Amino acid sequence: GAVVSQHPSRVICKSGTSVKIECRSLDFQATTMFWYRQFPKQSLMLMATSNEGSKATYEQGVEKDKFLINHASLTLSTLTVTSAHPEDSSFYICSARGGTGSEQYFGPGTRLTVT
Amino acid sequence: DQQVKQNSPSLSVQEGRISILNCDYTNSMFDYFLWYKKYPAEGPTFLISISSIKDKNEDGRFTVFLNKSAKHLSLHIVPSQPGDSAVYFCAASILNAGNNRKLIWGLGTSLAVNP
Repeated sequence: GAVVSQHPSRVICKSGTSVKIECRSLDFQATTMFWYRQFPKQSLMLMATSNEGSKATYEQGVEKDKFLINHASLTLSTLTVTSAHPEDSSFYICSARGGTGSEQYFGPGTRLTVT
Repeated sequence: DQQVKQNSPSLSVQEGRISILNCDYTNSMFDYFLWYKKYPAEGPTFLISISSIKDKNEDGRFTVFLNKSAKHLSLHIVPSQPGDSAVYFCAASILNAGNNRKLIWGLGTSLAVNP
């Protein structure tokens, strides 16, 4: 149980284009989903928290107009990186949580490369 | 300011022996602690957790100890197996300003278990 999928696993895009990453909870209803990014040899950095049906809460320093998050259903959240730049190249990971517990279940991650 | 610290970036242990991974934290408002295991280019996998009202939690080969007065926790793996080789992240749970639970992550410790 508690399986989270992420799609695509790897994407290469040109500078200035937008990329959408999907995160799905496959066998449970995710009331809350989280989006992280990880740079090489660094820890996971929380970008935003989204609750189903409401606006995402962004962490300080994360541009909400650049990283659009939609959590339209209890099993799907999307992250859209708009007008991507090479510095947006990173490993993006989503996680999901059912209920109000602390445990989060992670997707396999998406490697984004912006050329 | 790193609120969750894993001071050892790497650890090497012989198969069959005990692995001890350490984690220190600074915020006394953390009320739940979790350990995750991560392989390269994959999302973290939940391992074990402990509430701040307990001092020990055991699950098979994995035991987590919490010393609240020292703001220190440790993960013990015994006996260690080569398949345990991965990066281990310590995370602490806290309610954020939006009344959402979020995890604060350490930088991880890379464990190598040698056959």
